[in-house]
Amino acid sequence: ETGVTQSPTHLIKTRGQQVTLRCSSQSGHNTVSWYQQALGQGPQFIFQYYREEENGRGNFPPRFSGLQFPNYSSELNVNALELDDSALYLCASSLVREESTDTQYFGPGTRLTVL
Amino acid sequence: KQEVTQIPAALSVPEGENLVLNCSFTDSAIYNLQWFRQDPGKGLTSLLLIQSSQREQTSGRLNASLDKSSGRSTLYIAASQPGDSATYLCAVRPATSGTYKYIFGTGTRLKVLA
Repeated sequence: ETGVTQSPTHLIKTRGQQVTLRCSSQSGHNTVSWYQQALGQGPQFIFQYYREEENGRGNFPPRFSGLQFPNYSSELNVNALELDDSALYLCASSLVREESTDTQYFGPGTRLTVL
Repeated sequence: KQEVTQIPAALSVPEGENLVLNCSFTDSAIYNLQWFRQDPGKGLTSLLLIQSSQREQTSGRLNASLDKSSGRSTLYIAASQPGDSATYLCAVRPATSGTYKYIFGTGTRLKVLA
């Protein structure tokens, strides 16, 4: 049990719709990262938020956006859903300090199906 | 561009066998390497984290080694059990990026037969 929670567990949407996925970080963690994991693949980095600012982005289009809130919970928003967006979406939280970096703790994921 | 490869893609062994999972990466400039376990449809559980200055880490029946210069890591599982059946993912944190992100391999699907 990592202390990182995600909601919802499963979600079904149709092409063109918008979706919001939520993540609650482990207590005290100031950094959250989002990953997309297609079936049979390893997770792909989408973006990261550090103290409510985007702090790096992978090779994903702008219709993937996010927010991090003062309590360090986070949202991943995806607009204009496409069939290829069907995947397991994972968030991971960590405590990043100047002198060291803790490991990332992953949540259980949200399974998104786009029809 | 950092790429991570895992061999084999799938492995089926009888209970009790010792086994080795392999991971290779193309850029040796990494902060650390981490091995994860993933059960079907579930999130990731961190097994072992090896910092770039370390050669190996051990936890119970698991031992992971890191040879940064050759871009290789191995995960050794001793006396395998059916409960070890899962997908094992290797991931590296690039040192060339200011972002705390991991680059993952595609995993090795392990099945341990009772």
